[in-house]
Amino acid sequence: QQPVQSPQAVILREGEDAVINCSSSKALYSVHWYRQKHGEAPVFLMILLKGGEQKGHEKISASFNEKKQQSSLYLTASQLSYSGTYFCGTETTGNQFYFGTGTSLTVIP
Amino acid sequence: NAGVMQNPRHLVRRRGQEARLRCSPMKGHSHVYWYRQLPEEGLKFMVYLQKENIIDESGMPKERFSAEFPKEGPSILRIQQVVRGDSAAYFCASTPALNYEQYFGPGTRLTVT
Repeated sequence: QQPVQSPQAVILREGEDAVINCSSSKALYSVHWYRQKHGEAPVFLMILLKGGEQKGHEKISASFNEKKQQSSLYLTASQLSYSGTYFCGTETTGNQFYFGTGTSLTVIP
Repeated sequence: NAGVMQNPRHLVRRRGQEARLRCSPMKGHSHVYWYRQLPEEGLKFMVYLQKENIIDESGMPKERFSAEFPKEGPSILRIQQVVRGDSAAYFCASTPALNYEQYFGPGTRLTVT
């Protein structure tokens, strides 16, 4: 039931791009994305509802393919502040919510 | 507008004692989630509550753990007869309704000695 994220970890240089994928075995109603820095609480980035939409937030955007039960988070021109662990959260059509396995992102100068 | 509040921030309990973790949601939010996070691991769903109702407790261990969200006051996660394996960070998150973003509290770090 827990969505699977890939890659598990990625290291980027400042200015490089990254894609984080989230895949669920359940039919989804929405996908959330959160970032958590070490020792802190997760912080909401964006939510995508059923409908296959794409959303943007500064240089971070995401897409949701409800037929494939997948979502991708796109980070462009990465900054040092992007470092952290990214979690997708999936809300199934049965109203159950699960966080993904997490992707550790490290941006180096 | 105050954010989600959790207390205590740190809690130390000896094996066999009870732990009570409190979560005050954001104003206007009537839905609360509880999660457990072990060091260097992901967030594990425990329970989802609405005021006076448990909506989904499929992630909660069957024994020793209970949760409530009364009409008045904070949501409480109660762990009876704690064991060393209960040591973790416990986060609550509040939301106004389904399919809205979740706002997380700072977490309670429980250490069982």
